[in-house]
Amino acid sequence: GQQLNQSPQSMFIQEGEDVSMNCTSSSIFNTWLWYKQDPGEGPVLLIALYKAGELTSNGRLTAQFGITRKDSFLNISASIPSDVGIYFCAGQRTTGTASKLTFGTGTRLQVTL
Amino acid sequence: NAGVTQTPKFQVLKTGQSMTLQCAQDMNHEYMSWYRQDPGMGLRLIHYSVGAGITDQGEVPNGYNVSRSTTEDFPLRLLSAAPSQTSVYFCASSRETRFGENFGPGTRLTVT
Repeated sequence: GQQLNQSPQSMFIQEGEDVSMNCTSSSIFNTWLWYKQDPGEGPVLLIALYKAGELTSNGRLTAQFGITRKDSFLNISASIPSDVGIYFCAGQRTTGTASKLTFGTGTRLQVTL
Repeated sequence: NAGVTQTPKFQVLKTGQSMTLQCAQDMNHEYMSWYRQDPGMGLRLIHYSVGAGITDQGEVPNGYNVSRSTTEDFPLRLLSAAPSQTSVYFCASSRETRFGENFGPGTRLTVT
């Protein structure tokens, strides 16, 4: 089954730095979603993107839906310790009557003081 | 609202045993799904349901059964547990998948 390619796999940054991560696919998606997962918990939705080229912000987070519809980017500005976690992208497409999400492999973020 | 609840939080099974992972949501969501999460693999869809009485297979359905008799509940059954089914299992629900799914806290399953 297809999984989306996320990069980087992990990153260590200092508090206050900006962070960028991306997600690429060989297939087109109708919607791109970004989730964050804290240890021992389920993923929580951060941002949803619905149109190619769309740029959406949620506080210090900004995400973009790629023009080709095959990629998406997430930026975190001025990182803080609570940004630590695993970030997942997910693409949504409808095939017939089925509308499913395909998840990326995740980017693990560590923030040092 | 309690959101999506899952029981149990932890479970250890011996190879060949069967069990049911419970999932319930109180948001009146039509769409529910089960994922498994393995290290380095992200989340993979096992089964999903678009409404009561309707279920379908996801990416990794073998060894699992589901049913959806009510809107609220979507149990996942392991028929004969195998060590390869050691994983963290997440249930999720949504009004429509394009709005993003709400995930439960997960069940950590170990099969010995």
